[in-house]
Amino acid sequence: DAMVIQNPRYQVTQFGKPVTLSCSQTLNHNVMYWYQQKSSQAPKLLFHYYDKDFNNEADTPDNFQSRRPNTSFCFLDIRSPGLGDAAMYLCATSRDSRPARDGYTFGSGTRLTVV
Amino acid sequence: KNQVEQSPQSLIILEGKNCTLQCNYTVSPFSNLRWYKQDTGRGPVSLTIMTFSENTKSNGRYTATLDADTKQSSLHITASQLSDSASYICVVSAVGGGNKLTFGTGTQLKVEL
Repeated sequence: DAMVIQNPRYQVTQFGKPVTLSCSQTLNHNVMYWYQQKSSQAPKLLFHYYDKDFNNEADTPDNFQSRRPNTSFCFLDIRSPGLGDAAMYLCATSRDSRPARDGYTFGSGTRLTVV
Repeated sequence: KNQVEQSPQSLIILEGKNCTLQCNYTVSPFSNLRWYKQDTGRGPVSLTIMTFSENTKSNGRYTATLDADTKQSSLHITASQLSDSASYICVVSAVGGGNKLTFGTGTQLKVEL
């Protein structure tokens, strides 16, 4: 089945140690998103790629970076994780840049713990 | 400012009972509204997507309604099961807003025996 896959499901990293989360999709969607979701809160958009074009949200800390080497893969890099970065990180994809009737699909998420 | 408010914040019901979750939004101009189910520790899974012209949409035991005039939506769950225990999130898209979504904070539903 076409889907959005995030690896790993759980990630533990040390304070200040760089960590990379990965997302892959078999939907051939143009747009890929990274969200941060803390406990009992709504997901917060960090940035998104429309094809190769990177779009950062204004309030996303510089500590968060992203790479999209091809259509299928997108990575979230946290350069120096702090305790406040512990959260669920969700990857999502959509078909194009307009609000799509369907095709906005989330991955299962990566739960990041910072120790 | 675009906002989505959900009520109640949490809800406990007995297995087999019905329940209704509410969503009010101020997103404008409205494009579509989605209900997602999010199990603990998992990503959101789409239940229904509704556009301006749709009043009701069903997906199994889930039925969503939309009143675009009052900017309200509801999600009705029939004959609840233990597996329905999850967070239910209302998400709204605006026309011309690119593909940015406005999320509600969810209703945490617990179904008990």
